[in-house]
Amino acid sequence: GAVVSQHPSRVICKSGTSVKIECRSLDFQATTMFWYRQFPKQSLMLMATSNEGSKATYEQGVEKDKFLINHASLTLSTLTVTSAHPEDSSFYICSARGGAESGNTIYFGEGSWLTVV
Amino acid sequence: RKEVEQDPGPFNVPEGATVAFNCTYSNSASQSFFWYRQDCRKEPKLLMSVYSSGNEDGRFTAQLNRASQYISLLIRDSKLSDSATYLCVLLGGSYIPTFGRGTSLIVHP
Repeated sequence: GAVVSQHPSRVICKSGTSVKIECRSLDFQATTMFWYRQFPKQSLMLMATSNEGSKATYEQGVEKDKFLINHASLTLSTLTVTSAHPEDSSFYICSARGGAESGNTIYFGEGSWLTVV
Repeated sequence: RKEVEQDPGPFNVPEGATVAFNCTYSNSASQSFFWYRQDCRKEPKLLMSVYSSGNEDGRFTAQLNRASQYISLLIRDSKLSDSATYLCVLLGGSYIPTFGRGTSLIVHP
């Protein structure tokens, strides 16, 4: 079945630095990918919708200059957390929607644990 | 009213029990429905799609009631390994997935 791969799975960075997370659809083309953040014991929060070849659509309250999203190809979207701070520490997950042949199933990457120290 | 509502639980049941979760939604234009399972500190994984006619996969049965705008998940003969958070997910015409906050299930010996 369709697979979405996310990398890195865990990253620790110093406050003030930037971190890039990659999300790849391995065996299907994804014109749209989604980025979520999840704090412990809370639900998934949609951060932005990443559209191939165009600007991402950010949810209200999500700073587009802090969370840079690039969807350069049909199989790759990246999320860059710029000038990270400890409060940005969270579980970040990407997802992509398979086509009609998959029943429009949403496939998730494995998630990336970001710890900012 | 939230777009998707789920009882967060936790549902605490003994092994072998039958447990059911409901998920209500407000957008009548929702087109596709899914149940996902999320284990602690892991990404959500597709459990099953939900069809209008209802569908079954082993111990799991999913149903959709469009008239009342809810989907349900029934788990029979609960196993310890069924302990997880169960998320209902809807896709509308825009294909942006909308998530419920999840229902926590704890199966104990």
